[in-house]
Amino acid sequence: EAGVAQSPRYKIIEKRQSVAFWCNPISGHATLYWYQQILGQGPKLLIQFQNNGVVDDSQLPKDRFSAERLKGVDSTLKIQPAKLEDSAVYLCASSLIRGLVYEQFFGPGTRLTVL
Amino acid sequence: KNQVEQSPQSLIILEGKNCTLQCNYTVSPFSNLRWYKQDTGRGPVSLTIMTFSENTKSNGRYTATLDADTKQSSLHITASQLSDSASYICVVSDRGSTLGRLYFGRGTQLTVWP
Repeated sequence: EAGVAQSPRYKIIEKRQSVAFWCNPISGHATLYWYQQILGQGPKLLIQFQNNGVVDDSQLPKDRFSAERLKGVDSTLKIQPAKLEDSAVYLCASSLIRGLVYEQFFGPGTRLTVL
Repeated sequence: KNQVEQSPQSLIILEGKNCTLQCNYTVSPFSNLRWYKQDTGRGPVSLTIMTFSENTKSNGRYTATLDADTKQSSLHITASQLSDSASYICVVSDRGSTLGRLYFGRGTQLTVWP
């Protein structure tokens, strides 16, 4: 079974520039998540999709971050314009129900450095 | 306030030794607790998931315990190996469905020395 794919793996940009990340979840997984993980901290949920609808985007800084999941499969996360504090690893995950719980599978992440 | 606290923040042990990582949570309601292993530069990988009715679960050399009354969990690693060097993250969910919110701890950074 192929895992969650993300690209690019690394990105370096200057502040005020724009950047986009791509995620391809595991085939058949209806739920997709984007997390921001700052160095030394646990992941923080940015947005959660169920198919192509948004379930939770309460922690997404909507003035600069946007995400979409066209056709309920791939997803893109965009930052426009980037700030220094956006430097982090951006993790994508998808989930599948196993027994009584939903198990999440994470991609390798995109490490963003904003200079 | 729903929180997940992990201790210690970091730990160094010698190869072959055992260790125990701690997780305390205040998440309510409680549905399940997960332990993830995150290697440097990689995404987290699930080690165990425990629901309210389970008090212990093993995955190879990893054994997780859960005390839902005291809201504490531990992850015990037996006969550590160099490949166990990673961050171990405790995650608590308030519901069993995808509508549940996941609360992440900051992780314990484990380093295993030869």
